[in-house]
Amino acid sequence: AQKVTQAQTEISVVEKEDVTLDCVYETRDTTYYLFWYKQPPSGELVFLIRRNSFDEQNEISGRYSWNFQKSTSSFNFTITASQVVDSAVYFCALLPNTGNQFYFGTGTSLTVIP
Amino acid sequence: DAGVTQSPTHLIKTRGQHVTLRCSPISGHKSVSWYQQVLGQGPQFIFQYYEKEERGRGNFPDRFSARQFPNYSSELNVNALLLGDSALYLCASSLRVPYNEQFFGPGTRLTVL
Repeated sequence: AQKVTQAQTEISVVEKEDVTLDCVYETRDTTYYLFWYKQPPSGELVFLIRRNSFDEQNEISGRYSWNFQKSTSSFNFTITASQVVDSAVYFCALLPNTGNQFYFGTGTSLTVIP
Repeated sequence: DAGVTQSPTHLIKTRGQHVTLRCSPISGHKSVSWYQQVLGQGPQFIFQYYEKEERGRGNFPDRFSARQFPNYSSELNVNALLLGDSALYLCASSLRVPYNEQFFGPGTRLTVL
């Protein structure tokens, strides 16, 4: 079965705090990709990162960083020094070996309070 | 360059009617996928098309159908609308399949009364 779990439904932080969004996935495929998308109130999903199953290196992009751990089937996303513009719903998604269907989590709604 | 475009932006229908949603992918992208996003949930996969052929179908009833045209644009058709079909319908395009990141359009908000 293919599944993505985002246990945190809603998170609120004060501006400049760090916040980590959790993502746990299930798949029997040995080859797969993991993604994070941001969905602002406008509704459009914005691509943030893609990571393949053979690359467990952590990645940093500005204030964003991602921690991929196959041993725990997790792909967590950290925002450092959060800003009000970071307020959005964030989705983690799994693209298994067949490559034609994304499996999305239920999303984490992040609110950054000024 | 233009991103993924979808039309219409909003749509209100009544039960039993049918609806056609349209999507134009990013120039050069040959794959289009459709997703349904019910309020408070993540997007659910409906269809994927690549080079005008269906490459994948999610767990949706036969009332849902789609097609891709020679210019790679796509239509999603839903017949015999139910209240539960009210959702945001997202179209995503990618350069190729598999394993490519998908770029999403702004969506069509469908309300069924």
